[in-house]
Amino acid sequence: KNEVEQSPQNLTAQEGEFITINCSYSVGISALHWLQQHPGGGIVSLFMLSSGKKKHGRLIATINIQEKHSSLHITASHPRDSAVYICAVRGNTDKLIFGTGTRLQVFP
Amino acid sequence: NAGVTQTPKFQVLKTGQSMTLQCAQDMNHEYMSWYRQDPGMGLRLIHYSVGAGITDQGEVPNGYNVSRSTTEDFPLRLLSAAPSQTSVYFCASSYGQRTYNEQFFGPGTRLTVL
Repeated sequence: KNEVEQSPQNLTAQEGEFITINCSYSVGISALHWLQQHPGGGIVSLFMLSSGKKKHGRLIATINIQEKHSSLHITASHPRDSAVYICAVRGNTDKLIFGTGTRLQVFP
Repeated sequence: NAGVTQTPKFQVLKTGQSMTLQCAQDMNHEYMSWYRQDPGMGLRLIHYSVGAGITDQGEVPNGYNVSRSTTEDFPLRLLSAAPSQTSVYFCASSYGQRTYNEQFFGPGTRLTVL
């Protein structure tokens, strides 16, 4: 079993829908990252969380340390949100452990 | 700022050849790392560095060497390429010596070993 599990693996939505992507982890963590990988392959950082909730534009990330779970929400989804969303956790070392990603496609 | 740059973007090698993947950043970041990305798997850490002169192994270090002689550069050397090293390689950097901070990724190098 992977230490970081994401669900769903694939997600299809209509433009305007509310999207939720989940990340569960089995190790103790000190930080959790959400990343976006564009269809062209580039990876950008969206959020780093250690507790609570963060919001940036239409993106919201939450984390529940006790339940070892984080969610990434996209409000009013748009075709340009189509990408792979990756969760990564930092345990007790300097190394990040990555999930396999959630592939999101948003259709007009 | 150019951010994190990687060269080359694409490379084809024959089994047994050696090569160096280049990574440079102009943000004065202390933490730099190399990952490989394979289909159906998450990014996996190959080697990382918390500052010039300091490197350490990640999850999948075998067959790869690194050095960090300057803050800016963190090259990854494949000693004797094998087909199992066919992958997309990403270099990343972040402020400070730890992975608490925002990670900046290079554009990736797609390597094929025949």
